[in-house]
Amino acid sequence: QVLLQQWGAGLLKPSETLSLTCAVSGGSFSGYYWSWIRQSPEKGLEWIGRTSHTGLSTYSPSLRSRVTFSVDTSKNQFSLKLTSLTAADTGVYYCARGEVGLVGDYWGQGTLVTVSS
Amino acid sequence: EIVLTQSPGTLSLSPGERATLSCRASQSVNSAYLAWYQQRPGQAPRLLIYATSSRAPGIPDRFSGSGSGTYFTLSISGLEPEDFAVYYCQQYGGSPQYTFGQGTKVEIK
Repeated sequence: QVLLQQWGAGLLKPSETLSLTCAVSGGSFSGYYWSWIRQSPEKGLEWIGRTSHTGLSTYSPSLRSRVTFSVDTSKNQFSLKLTSLTAADTGVYYCARGEVGLVGDYWGQGTLVTVSS
Repeated sequence: EIVLTQSPGTLSLSPGERATLSCRASQSVNSAYLAWYQQRPGQAPRLLIYATSSRAPGIPDRFSGSGSGTYFTLSISGLEPEDFAVYYCQQYGGSPQYTFGQGTKVEIK
């Protein structure tokens, strides 16, 4: 059974950097895309970007300048960093396993991120 | 960017009734890259349908998907209590770029 477990700081101040990590267990880490998605009442579900086990990453154009993904294949983990946070970055962040046309067949439990001074 | 518009925003139905949810795209979508998710309160989205009409493992056969081009539908025949939730469509438009619809809430009438 594939399980995605995510963690990271949930309360941040404007201009700070968000860091989240997602650990994958119960399945192969290669052969899939690993995405980050966020959800807010204002924007709904928003795809942030995806990476592969090789670390080849693609980002949403709207967030590209502030996002970086990294991969640790020894631990079957992938991570998100989002810089220069503002209140508009508040929401629930999810990691997910997907394929070419599919964002996620398995999802992490979600992390509520609040950006407030 | 392909915009997905779901309708209706809210669907009020009774258990046992049939639900039909729509997802309209601003440009033609490859049918292989259209998916539907269910989200219950406090939970992550759950994959129901991929490639327009293929059910994900473990999804009951009362869920079905259809469509092509710019118009897709998700049908739920015989609503069960656990089916009252929010449903999202999602497409992949290359680049790569994934987008979601704004959701349809299926509520108990």
